[in-house]
Amino acid sequence: SQQGEEDPQALSIQEGENATMNCSYKTSINNLQWYRQNSGRGLVHLILIRSNEREKHSGRLRVTLDTSKKSSSLLITASRAADTASYFCATLSGANSKLTFGKGITLSVRP
Amino acid sequence: NAGVTQTPKFQVLKTGQSMTLQCAQDMNHNSMYWYRQDPGMGLRLIYYSASEGTTDKGEVPNGYNVSRLNKREFSLRLESAAPSQTSVYFCASSTGLAGGQETQYFGPGTRLLVL
Repeated sequence: SQQGEEDPQALSIQEGENATMNCSYKTSINNLQWYRQNSGRGLVHLILIRSNEREKHSGRLRVTLDTSKKSSSLLITASRAADTASYFCATLSGANSKLTFGKGITLSVRP
Repeated sequence: NAGVTQTPKFQVLKTGQSMTLQCAQDMNHNSMYWYRQDPGMGLRLIYYSASEGTTDKGEVPNGYNVSRLNKREFSLRLESAAPSQTSVYFCASSTGLAGGQETQYFGPGTRLLVL
């Protein structure tokens, strides 16, 4: 069963605009991760935020985590056409190494 | 480093046929995973191997078997393929050293069509 639920399911923006994607989850977590998948390819890890962290940055990416609301957001600033991809949040709970993935958000960035 | 490699890239099977999907990683990772990805379903864990010599069931293990051949290789076998197993299969690996806190590295996927 999916732990993370991303929102919206699809997002279309103009190049240069910011893209905000949200993820909600149901149970307590150790960390939350965001992955990107280009069409026909495998997933690539973008950023990890631990349960005791509230915000992290990596280049044009900013992720926030609100454990009280069980939600996270991924912000991509100054989007580029190359950011067109599917984005997945994944949560890790408990003592094992198993990630639970959401269904993904399809981001289209128009040139 | 090649990272995580998977073979074959694409396969067509008839119902009832068997096949093995191969996965190898050259990052000296302890943990390896098999997922399937279906439209609108995200990724679901089939089996995983926390370390060499161990395997455990994930969310959707029925109809599959796995073998952790050595530290590098983790194979997924379909003994009697069914149309419901039509999917894209991804192998992934992680260091397995941080109690599950680390990230996973994915292969390019195997597209399987069962007729």
